[in-house]
Amino acid sequence: DVKVTQSSRYLVKRTGEKVFLECVQDMDHENMFWYRQDPGLGLRLIYFSYDVKMKEKGDIPEGYSVSREKKERFSLILESASTNQTSMYLCASSTMLGTVDSNQPQHFGDGTRLSIL
Amino acid sequence: GEDVEQSLFLSVREGDSSVINCTYTDSSSTYLYWYKQEPGAGLQLLTYIFSNMDMKQDQRLTVLLNKKDKHLSLRIADTQTGDSAIYFCAETRYGNKLVFGAGTILRVKS
Repeated sequence: DVKVTQSSRYLVKRTGEKVFLECVQDMDHENMFWYRQDPGLGLRLIYFSYDVKMKEKGDIPEGYSVSREKKERFSLILESASTNQTSMYLCASSTMLGTVDSNQPQHFGDGTRLSIL
Repeated sequence: GEDVEQSLFLSVREGDSSVINCTYTDSSSTYLYWYKQEPGAGLQLLTYIFSNMDMKQDQRLTVLLNKKDKHLSLRIADTQTGDSAIYFCAETRYGNKLVFGAGTILRVKS
């Protein structure tokens, strides 16, 4: 089974702090994704990465950056945390095997519930 | 538009069937997915359907796809209290991306 592990289930930080959320997958997946989940809005894509050292902006990248130094690890960085970044953050990974149209479901971690005070 | 739309809430009695509906926007989506999220957990892949199919059955789950209307549904037969969760539909976009609906909260009353 695919295992996507997020380093923290719950995190409390202060406004202005630099925050790191870590995600590791053990299936040698090429693709990794960071989402935030807010009630009534579903999942919104923040950033994603197709390969080591590659990153692409998702739908809501403002206030965030990412790092993919190793294939199995994808980090989300809040450069200067603000209260409107209080949310549930979900990491996912998927394989690149096959064509871009082949079945490549994303596999999710358990999420990090981040509170910014 | 860009949105995948779902009804926000569904309440059923234990043993009844549940039907969760979803409309999507991109007619070129190749796969459509249903994910389940239990309280405090991440998303678990439930099932998926390829866009050239109109039905897929997997034990208690039946997925129906109406490609003309861009309508997807998930039917859960004999709904149990353990089925209480949030259900998300998602469509594929080019580049391995998924676009999710806002989720449907399913509440099962015993």
